Amino acid sequence: DAKTTQPPSMDCAEGRAANLPCNHSTISGNEYVYWYRQIHSQGPQYIIHGLKNNETNEMASLIITEDRKSSTLILPHATLRDTAVYYCIVRVSGGSQGNLIFGKGTKLSVKP
Amino acid sequence: EAGVTQSPTHLIKTRGQQATLRCSPISGHTSVYWYQQALGLGLQFLLWYDEGEERNRGNFPPRFSGRQFPNYSSELNVNALELEDSALYLCASRSFANTGELFFGEGSRLTVL
Repeated sequence: DAKTTQPPSMDCAEGRAANLPCNHSTISGNEYVYWYRQIHSQGPQYIIHGLKNNETNEMASLIITEDRKSSTLILPHATLRDTAVYYCIVRVSGGSQGNLIFGKGTKLSVKP
Repeated sequence: EAGVTQSPTHLIKTRGQQATLRCSPISGHTSVYWYQQALGLGLQFLLWYDEGEERNRGNFPPRFSGRQFPNYSSELNVNALELEDSALYLCASRSFANTGELFFGEGSRLTVL
């Protein structure tokens, strides 16, 4: 699986958009970008994933650059409950694939 | 629909003892993953089971073992406990049919004294 690079921490004001970047310059053509988050002492929560098109769901939007070497997770209106560690992971999709490898992630602090 | 459930929530053991942690995946999910998260550290992959077979294991000693039952639930066993085994143990499940997202339980916190 391709390696990802994320900033260790970010701050965001409550109600503003939180933009979390991720670099994955060695991503392969068949690898997807997945985002998870982990709120303190809880199990990680799946947020969104994509291959090359931008994706949006009820939680967030995922913007992937045209060359697929980087992506940005956007939380459009951050709330205090969005304070968490956010993990960007790239891997091949499909049921026969193995484990997710979690890096250190970005600790997002949403402040009032 | 029930999510991934883990038991016990908390477990306290002493050095040298054995610990057994249990995981029930989401109904219909056949793959179960185990991760270890020591305090302040990231998630370290432990084991992956699918259809009752061990498919992959992380860089952990053999005293970490497990199994998956015919109903796809899973058990993680840690023998000869050491102080550094104190951690949050997370289980996740994934359906073979979906596009790869994992669904995690809330974890079992093991404390070794």
